[in-house]
Amino acid sequence: NAGVTQTPKFQVLKTGQSMTLQCAQDMNHEYMSWYRQDPGMGLRLIHYSVGAGITDQGEVPNGYNVSRSTTEDFPLRLLSAAPSQTSVYFCASSRRGDREDTQYFGPGTRLTVL
Amino acid sequence: SQQGEEDPQALSIQEGENATMNCSYKTSINNLQWYRQNSGRGLVHLILIRSNEREKHSGRLRVTLDTSKKSSSLLITASRAADTASYFCAAVYRSSNTGKLIFGQGTTLQVKP
Repeated sequence: NAGVTQTPKFQVLKTGQSMTLQCAQDMNHEYMSWYRQDPGMGLRLIHYSVGAGITDQGEVPNGYNVSRSTTEDFPLRLLSAAPSQTSVYFCASSRRGDREDTQYFGPGTRLTVL
Repeated sequence: SQQGEEDPQALSIQEGENATMNCSYKTSINNLQWYRQNSGRGLVHLILIRSNEREKHSGRLRVTLDTSKKSSSLLITASRAADTASYFCAAVYRSSNTGKLIFGQGTTLQVKP
């Protein structure tokens, strides 16, 4: 199993550009989530999904869209990038999203918005 | 924000010494989890302690939980250079019906050979 994969590893955008960060998992996990990591802030939850077709907002959802059309994929879209979105983005998944499920993290995407 | 706090922010010790890092959280939890992050990598789950547990062990890791103080500690015994990483606590609050993790800011541990 590849686990949780993320592409791209690095990305530089100009303010106002749009892009999609890809996340995929091959463990048949129902629960997937996106976090951003900023220096001194730990990880903050952006959006999450408890299954295909179901998404919900986390702590910091503004400026980001998600959809979950398949169990495997959970892309994160930035519609109009802003410098405040410069961060490292992590995708994670867990089997059912139960409160005691272990979450598995991808390697991250480092995004810079100029 | 429900984000918890960790201290110290940074810790530097010699190989063989013990490392202790602390975490505080805001409201009632279902469980508290600890994760490790090596430089430039994703997070790896280390250990989970439930709200009705006071102490848990896994190899060289010992986690304690004090719900009256809303705090937890992670102790790494006999540290090794390979333990150099950032360590994060993450709370699953009782108010959540899913495994949403609320992370602390992390402790950066350096173990010198």
